[in-house]
Amino acid sequence: GNSVTQMEGPVTLSEEAFLTINCTYTATGYPSLFWYVQYPGEGLQLLLKATKADDKGSNKGFEATYRKETTSFHLEKGSVQVSDSAVYFCALTNAGNNRKLIWGLGTSLAVNP
Amino acid sequence: DVKVTQSSRYLVKRTGEKVFLECVQDMDHENMFWYRQDPGLGLRLIYFSYDVKMKEKGDIPEGYSVSREKKERFSLILESASTNQTSMYLCASLRQGTYEQYFGPGTRLTVT
Repeated sequence: GNSVTQMEGPVTLSEEAFLTINCTYTATGYPSLFWYVQYPGEGLQLLLKATKADDKGSNKGFEATYRKETTSFHLEKGSVQVSDSAVYFCALTNAGNNRKLIWGLGTSLAVNP
Repeated sequence: DVKVTQSSRYLVKRTGEKVFLECVQDMDHENMFWYRQDPGLGLRLIYFSYDVKMKEKGDIPEGYSVSREKKERFSLILESASTNQTSMYLCASLRQGTYEQYFGPGTRLTVT
């Protein structure tokens, strides 16, 4: 079946450090891949997405590239800020059934000044 | 901006009570979802609805039911609340044919 595996948190970084949160997936066919972010006290919001192999999603300085050969969609940011402290979720949906998302367990990020 | 609102941010109920959680979206989305979020377990889908009066079970429907009488409103019902239903409940909506789910702020339910 379909599944998403994220690196376990919490991740703690200093401001301006480089961030990588690993995400790998198992899926049939050609899924679309997503990163959602949940800031403290809020619901989730879409951070970025990629819908086909080699696509790069980007937003707010975050990037992730859809790598079909390694079944990965790692989230990166070159210089994190305190305001990036949040929980990050990797997710996928299969083409043809975009209603349902398969979620990773989330990775908590804390950025210290 | 799409807005998804949930009736309460915090709720405390007693074991055995019937609990209603309400979710309203203002963008005419066809699909709506109820999730629960627990530490170490991520998001788990309880139920979703793809049209008025239509519903499908998610991964953990036991102990819950839903109602969708109007397109904008999706209610989650705990028929007889139990302590293991203490959790954060998140509602989301999705326009048919698109990818982005829009989430409400969540309801933190405590059952004592």
